[in-house]
Amino acid sequence: GAGVSQSPRYKVAKRGQDVALRCDPISGHVSLFWYQQALGQGPEFLTYFQNEAQLDKSGLPSDRFFAERPEGSVSTLKIQRTQQEDSAVYLCASSLGQGGAFFGQGTRLTVV
Amino acid sequence: GDSVTQMEGPVTLSEEAFLTINCTYTATGYPSLFWYVQYPGEGLQLLLKATKADDKGSNKGFEATYRKETTSFHLEKGSVQVSDSAVYFCALRTNNNDMRFGAGTRLTVKP
Repeated sequence: GAGVSQSPRYKVAKRGQDVALRCDPISGHVSLFWYQQALGQGPEFLTYFQNEAQLDKSGLPSDRFFAERPEGSVSTLKIQRTQQEDSAVYLCASSLGQGGAFFGQGTRLTVV
Repeated sequence: GDSVTQMEGPVTLSEEAFLTINCTYTATGYPSLFWYVQYPGEGLQLLLKATKADDKGSNKGFEATYRKETTSFHLEKGSVQVSDSAVYFCALRTNNNDMRFGAGTRLTVKP
């Protein structure tokens, strides 16, 4: 596709439920980023992939958060045993080289 | 670690006023610097960028100059329009290639 695609756009999960968020980056983009954006805040870095290698996962808030990009293209962010504080917009971005990243529309997760 | 600090908002201006949103950074090495904009109900969009000291990024009448001596990348526009109302984020790309964002500054332009 022409841009970064994320699905679902909205997800409501019951506390304790596992969720999986998908990101389709722009074709050919080597770098892929996941961010968490709380209401009224800037994007907080979660993790970064270069192709299939997860080079930085220092932003993942707990071991309930897990991300993968097994073939260097599509990526999935998984959150296990969701908690209310996980409610946020999860943003995915991709880039080709050292330039700016292109963002998807995000997945709004609400944990009830 | 590498980080960005930007001017807290919100900022409210009248149409045709001059805009400055301050951004300073802390980084090892020589990061690339960016401004992103988020219009209401939309995703983050790249506004402009600069990759080395003294570079000036510009787009849609907005400008920012990479100042290594003051570790700053302030966003400016000479005459804002109502359509510029949005949230603006300063960001840097570290030597490790990951990107870090500021907290955002909400701009409202009144007619």
